Amino acid sequence: NAGVMQNPRHLVRRRGQEARLRCSPMKGHSHVYWYRQLPEEGLKFMVYLQKENIIDESGMPKERFSAEFPKEGPSILRIQQVVRGDSAAYFCASSPPARGGADTQYFGPGTRLTVL
Amino acid sequence: QQQVKQSPQSLIVQKGGISIINCAYENTAFDYFPWYQQFPGKGPALLIAIRPDVSEKKEGRFTISFNKSAKQFSLHIMDSQPGDSATYFCAATLHDYKLSFGAGTTVTVRA
Repeated sequence: NAGVMQNPRHLVRRRGQEARLRCSPMKGHSHVYWYRQLPEEGLKFMVYLQKENIIDESGMPKERFSAEFPKEGPSILRIQQVVRGDSAAYFCASSPPARGGADTQYFGPGTRLTVL
Repeated sequence: QQQVKQSPQSLIVQKGGISIINCAYENTAFDYFPWYQQFPGKGPALLIAIRPDVSEKKEGRFTISFNKSAKQFSLHIMDSQPGDSATYFCAATLHDYKLSFGAGTTVTVRA
């Protein structure tokens, strides 16, 4: 029973490039959440998606960041024109369709983004 | 601003000792308070959680104490073992899915 999968696990980008982070939810899960963890800080909520719908993007920066969860395939967190301040660990969590509660969120191992 | 404040940043405890981590929150609308355990290179894993209508919850060696009037909650790890060495995060939710995390506590258990 594979857990939440994220790739790549480590990603290095130069300033101005684009970063694409992928999240495959657990089998049977249709809710996805993205969190960002800056150094020495806790995880911060970014966005909550269901298949083909953005439910809550209140934690997403207004510019350069976007997320999608298509009908087929993984969820993608896209960061355009990366800056050094985007360097962080990005975690994805998924939960089953019955209810999108915090007690049913399972986290992936994260993608560590480093911007040079 | 940080909605959940966690302390200490790190602690060292001898095997068999008690680890205590404290958290405080401001938003009285929070309705669920989980604790997560994270090992290096892994994502956080739910350890134990409590709702605000309960003052204490125990699961094995892990206990949450919750003080609604003080807006504080804590995690106690009894009989700490080397395998408990990890980073622990407290969290709180609004709308039951939007987790707000504390900054984390790195626990080291010395054999």
